[in-house]
Amino acid sequence: DADVTQTPRNRITKTGKRIMLECSQTKGHDRMYWYRQDPGLGLRLIYYSFDVKDINKGEISDGYSVSRQAQAKFSLSLESAIPNQTALYFCATSDPFSEGEGTDTQYFGPGTRLTVL
Amino acid sequence: KQEVTQIPAALSVPEGENLVLNCSFTDSAIYNLQWFRQDPGKGLTSLLLIQSSQREQTSGRLNASLDKSSGRSTLYIAASQPGDSATYLCAVCEETSGSRLTFGEGTQLTVNP
Repeated sequence: DADVTQTPRNRITKTGKRIMLECSQTKGHDRMYWYRQDPGLGLRLIYYSFDVKDINKGEISDGYSVSRQAQAKFSLSLESAIPNQTALYFCATSDPFSEGEGTDTQYFGPGTRLTVL
Repeated sequence: KQEVTQIPAALSVPEGENLVLNCSFTDSAIYNLQWFRQDPGKGLTSLLLIQSSQREQTSGRLNASLDKSSGRSTLYIAASQPGDSATYLCAVCEETSGSRLTFGEGTQLTVNP
């Protein structure tokens, strides 16, 4: 089973709808992140959480909100979706105290492709 | 604000060739630098992470180097294979940003059989 999972994998919705994207991880990491990827703009950080009670805005948080329900779950919501939120959304996790592959390596989920009409 | 640039944006090579992908960043106060691979429609897979105190990391046919003072990193791929075809992304974590990453736009690599 994948260590970082995202649901749904694909979603088409209409302008003004509320959408929730979910992320779950089995890696036991405290830190979780939400990014969006747009052609020509690379990946940009939306929100990040260093533990259940620590949530922070990233580079492009306007129009988004998040909820950290547990160490393993981090959800991203679009309260009122708009077409320019059409993008590929990624969740990631990391452990700043890990060894092995490298301290604080980020592990990504498979992504959610969101289309807002 | 940290900016990360990757050159070239796209690269096509014949199988077996050795190749170098470049990454540059504007603020040298980084904590680490990571190289990722992304296959079409898929998530990112971490390839190598270099701490700011390190000069290079190796994994199989991949070697990543870091010159923090000049703001540059390279990813060297030896004896390229068609299965190496993917987009390669460089990302830096700044000393003051916690674990947050700033990504480059990537280099799209095609290895032709």
